[in-house]
Amino acid sequence: AQSVSQHNHHVILSEAASLELGCNYSYGGTVNLFWYVQYPGQHLQLLLKYFSGDPLVKGIKGFEAEFIKSKFSFNLRKPSVQWSDTAEYFCAVNASKLIFGSGTRLLVRP
Amino acid sequence: GAGVSQSPSNKVTEKGKDVELRCDPISGHTALYWYRQSLGQGLEFLIYFQGNSAPDKSGLPSDRFSAERTGGSVSTLTIQRTQQEDSAVYLCASSLDVYGEQFFGPGTRLTVL
Repeated sequence: AQSVSQHNHHVILSEAASLELGCNYSYGGTVNLFWYVQYPGQHLQLLLKYFSGDPLVKGIKGFEAEFIKSKFSFNLRKPSVQWSDTAEYFCAVNASKLIFGSGTRLLVRP
Repeated sequence: GAGVSQSPSNKVTEKGKDVELRCDPISGHTALYWYRQSLGQGLEFLIYFQGNSAPDKSGLPSDRFSAERTGGSVSTLTIQRTQQEDSAVYLCASSLDVYGEQFFGPGTRLTVL
């Protein structure tokens, strides 16, 4: 069965620190990969996506993610976080349906 | 154009009552999805529609849950004989096709007393 694992459930960083959130999935076939973000009080929105091509994907607000097929990973990165990045981040894999990871709550301290 | 809309935004009901949740997808989106977001449970897939048919109902928690979609547009999720464990935020999303980016609605917060 398809599954998505996000290993960091809670992350606390100071502003300007670098961020990396891990995401691993289990599915042997072709997948589409996504990171969604949910800011406090708002609904889920797409941060970035990978369908094919360059495995390094740039998203909104300075986020990027790298698809490493051999590691079944799609980690999210940002070189310098801001207070406004405080949110919950969900990795998702779409093979025949969208499977979400359990989410990572990021708190950025000013 | 408008995004995905859901109604009601909040619903409080008594245990044992039936509830109906509505989703209006983005116009032209053929795929529609229902998810449940519970505290501490993350996002749980319930069902998706391609057009009016539901190829995958595997996520529905019990036979008290059903969903339909008519005219390739509006969908309703019905929960019969609600239980307290049904309390959650029910999210709807739509996409142009089943492999594409999903756009989420604001959700319906269901509280079963």
